Amino acid sequence: GQSLEQPSEVTAVEGAIVQINCTYQTSGFYGLSWYQQHDGGAPTFLSYNALDGLEETGRFSSFLSRSDSYGYLLLQELQMKDSASYFCAVVDAGNKLTFGGGTRVLVKP
Amino acid sequence: SAVISQKPSRDICQRGTSLTIQCQVDSQVTMMFWYRQQPGQSLTLIATANQGSEATYESGFVIDKFPISRPNLTFSTLTVSNMSPEDSSIYLCSVGGQPQHFGDGTRLSIL
Repeated sequence: GQSLEQPSEVTAVEGAIVQINCTYQTSGFYGLSWYQQHDGGAPTFLSYNALDGLEETGRFSSFLSRSDSYGYLLLQELQMKDSASYFCAVVDAGNKLTFGGGTRVLVKP
Repeated sequence: SAVISQKPSRDICQRGTSLTIQCQVDSQVTMMFWYRQQPGQSLTLIATANQGSEATYESGFVIDKFPISRPNLTFSTLTVSNMSPEDSSIYLCSVGGQPQHFGDGTRLSIL
């Protein structure tokens, strides 16, 4: 089976940088995805890492270390609209997602 | 990316009844999944909806409780059977490999 750990909540001010860590234990691993979910909304895809290293997409970056079973999502230049829940998810061979518990990010002015 | 429509968007049901949720995609997709998100919780995969064959269920989910149909590559249904208050959740369909795209979900409350 799979298990993922991520912090439950992070608070930061506008313009700050936030890093959300995700550690996982898995019996089958193809990659690590990150999703954003605003209250009342659907999860939306942010990034996917299949290989070690950093993937950058605008203000958001994601990192993976397969040897450490660890990844993180970096949110830069935080904006009020970034207040949401962020989920890491392990991707298996069948493209099934196992989600972490989610990190609620609160951005304050 | 695919446009996914889920119906109904929300419903309030009596315990012991069943509700069928529809997921319609605007293009043919090979992979379609159903997830449950209990209040304030993360998403849990219920099953993979397979076109032309029985769905593949995850541990803790059974066909009698959550029957799934997938008659073609653009449509699937999930039925929540014999509902109890513990079934109050958001039910979401998703499509694709990487990335997966999610429908807006069906918010279900059981009285």
